[in-house]
Amino acid sequence: GEDVEQSLFLSVREGDSSVINCTYTDSSSTYLYWYKQEPGAGLQLLTYIFSNMDMKQDQRLTVLLNKKDKHLSLRIADTQTGDSAIYFCAESRLRGSTLGRLYFGRGTQLTVWP
Amino acid sequence: GAGVSQSPSNKVTEKGKDVELRCDPISGHTALYWYRQSLGQGLEFLIYFQGNSAPDKSGLPSDRFSAERTGGSVSTLTIQRTQQEDSAVYLCASSYRDPSGANVLTFGAGSRLTVL
Repeated sequence: GEDVEQSLFLSVREGDSSVINCTYTDSSSTYLYWYKQEPGAGLQLLTYIFSNMDMKQDQRLTVLLNKKDKHLSLRIADTQTGDSAIYFCAESRLRGSTLGRLYFGRGTQLTVWP
Repeated sequence: GAGVSQSPSNKVTEKGKDVELRCDPISGHTALYWYRQSLGQGLEFLIYFQGNSAPDKSGLPSDRFSAERTGGSVSTLTIQRTQQEDSAVYLCASSYRDPSGANVLTFGAGSRLTVL
């Protein structure tokens, strides 16, 4: 497809792990990103991964990249109520794109229950 | 300033009026984006400016929407003859490339537009 795809909603219990999935479009995309949006605020960069990597870990965050399937995931360990937000996946495409522009998914609303 | 500044933060207008939304990007950032976010609709790309290149206007929903970026810095998004379906939060972002080559965007807090 032409769009970056994400499921719209995810609910988890506090203390559990959350896994947010994303399917992107261009197998030659150089960088894949995760952004977080808290209520009433703009998006903030959480982390990104270069396409020659399979995994990147940053404290409670683990990013997994499957280039063959064009699948990106974000795992949040020990999810807290403060992690409740909308999470956006984005790609830097090379093919059929405007140079330098990021392409975003529609976002996944993560709700963490106490 | 330290971040991307957008004004006004809130705008209420009557159907048919024109509105202008302003974005002050981070100094030195060469690229600037406008997005629209409606309730339950996700993030919708509007327009992208990169240096002196022609802007990517492919996301503008109609010819009532236009944007300019003066002097490679401040940008204004103009919506003419506003309609109720234009009600949304309009987000601006500016970006730079970090040493690894990643394109890092910094977003403003947005301008909430309500068309009555």
